[in-house]
Amino acid sequence: GQNIDQPTEMTATEGAIVQINCTYQTSGFNGLFWYQQHAGEAPTFLSYNVLDGLEEKGRFSSFLSRSKGYSYLLLKELQMKDSASYLCAVMDSNYQLIWGAGTKLIIKP
Amino acid sequence: DGGITQSPKYLFRKEGQNVTLSCEQNLNHDAMYWYRQDPGQGLRLIYYSQIVNDFQKGDIAEGYSVSREKKESFPLTVTSAQKNPTAFYLCASTQREFNEQFFGPGTRLTVL
Repeated sequence: GQNIDQPTEMTATEGAIVQINCTYQTSGFNGLFWYQQHAGEAPTFLSYNVLDGLEEKGRFSSFLSRSKGYSYLLLKELQMKDSASYLCAVMDSNYQLIWGAGTKLIIKP
Repeated sequence: DGGITQSPKYLFRKEGQNVTLSCEQNLNHDAMYWYRQDPGQGLRLIYYSQIVNDFQKGDIAEGYSVSREKKESFPLTVTSAQKNPTAFYLCASTQREFNEQFFGPGTRLTVL
């Protein structure tokens, strides 16, 4: 079966750095997406990785290792507005997105 | 401004009634999707459409129906056959199937 695993909840301090991990087992791989979702709102796109390595975009970076079935989202200089759920999704061989349950990130002052 | 709209944001229905959720996009995207989101679970695909007048079932299509008569519109009907319809429903679209999906604001359906 297809499976995406990510921690249910994480807590971090304002100004700090946090890494949210995602491991996956899917039938085929056509890229991995990270989305941010504030409570009661729509997910918004953060990053896309299809090749191994690190993609940096401002305070957010995303890493992929296809051989390990592993990705992480790194958030630097945390701000209170970063409190949200972070969703990992893998595009399988049929170009369908398989979604993880999301990681709820709580930022404390 | 281009985007996806869903209406209404909150919807209450009595058990046994069919209800239709609206989804409209002006992004000129070919593909559109309906997802259901429940607490503690990932998004689950209900139906998707890659072109007008064509759509495919997702993982949890039972109790739902869709139509795609226009490129801009992809309404979802939640029928009385859906055993547990209370959920947050998200509509999304993408230009190409391998691009990122853009989401509407969602409709929270509560069946009483």
